Amino acid sequence: SQQGEEDPQALSIQEGENATMNCSYKTSINNLQWYRQNSGRGLVHLILIRSNEREKHSGRLRVTLDTSKKSSSLLITASRAADTASYFCATADNAGNNRKLIWGLGTSLAVNP
Amino acid sequence: EADIYQTPRYLVIGTGKKITLECSQTMGHDKMYWYQQDPGMELHLIHYSYGVNSTEKGDLSSESTVSRIRTEHFPLTLESARPSHTSQYLCASSDTRLAGGNEQFFGPGTRLTVL
Repeated sequence: SQQGEEDPQALSIQEGENATMNCSYKTSINNLQWYRQNSGRGLVHLILIRSNEREKHSGRLRVTLDTSKKSSSLLITASRAADTASYFCATADNAGNNRKLIWGLGTSLAVNP
Repeated sequence: EADIYQTPRYLVIGTGKKITLECSQTMGHDKMYWYQQDPGMELHLIHYSYGVNSTEKGDLSSESTVSRIRTEHFPLTLESARPSHTSQYLCASSDTRLAGGNEQFFGPGTRLTVL
């Protein structure tokens, strides 16, 4: 079963604008990860944030984690047409079982030139 | 680019045929996964493996089977394909030794169409 829920389901913005996607989850986690999927391709890992971290940056990406609200956000600054893709969050549980990830439903981002 | 490969990339086949989707990784990862994903939809885990000779069913029931005889190879087999098996199949791997231990590396996927 899917734990994560992303919103919005779809987002359309102009190049240069910022894009924010949110992810909510239900159980205690060890870490939360964000992935990107270009149309018809496999997923690519973007960033991992641990449960004891509140914010993390990687290039134009900024991820926040609020464990009290069981939610995370992914901000893409100064978006480019190449950022057009689906973005998924995934959580690893806190039970010492790092074997499986629980995946969200994804946010489809369209960046218009 | 992750060193994980899937073949074929596209497969169109008739009902009742037996098919094997190949997945190989050259990173020496101990864990491997198969996901099923319909266009624009979420990933569903159908099989995973912790290591050689270890396989488990995932969260979504599937008529497919898998084997893990070698660390680098994790093929998925459908004995008798049906139109309901039409989907994209994604293979992934991860390594317990890496920091975090569960970042997954994905292959490009196999898009299967059963007529």
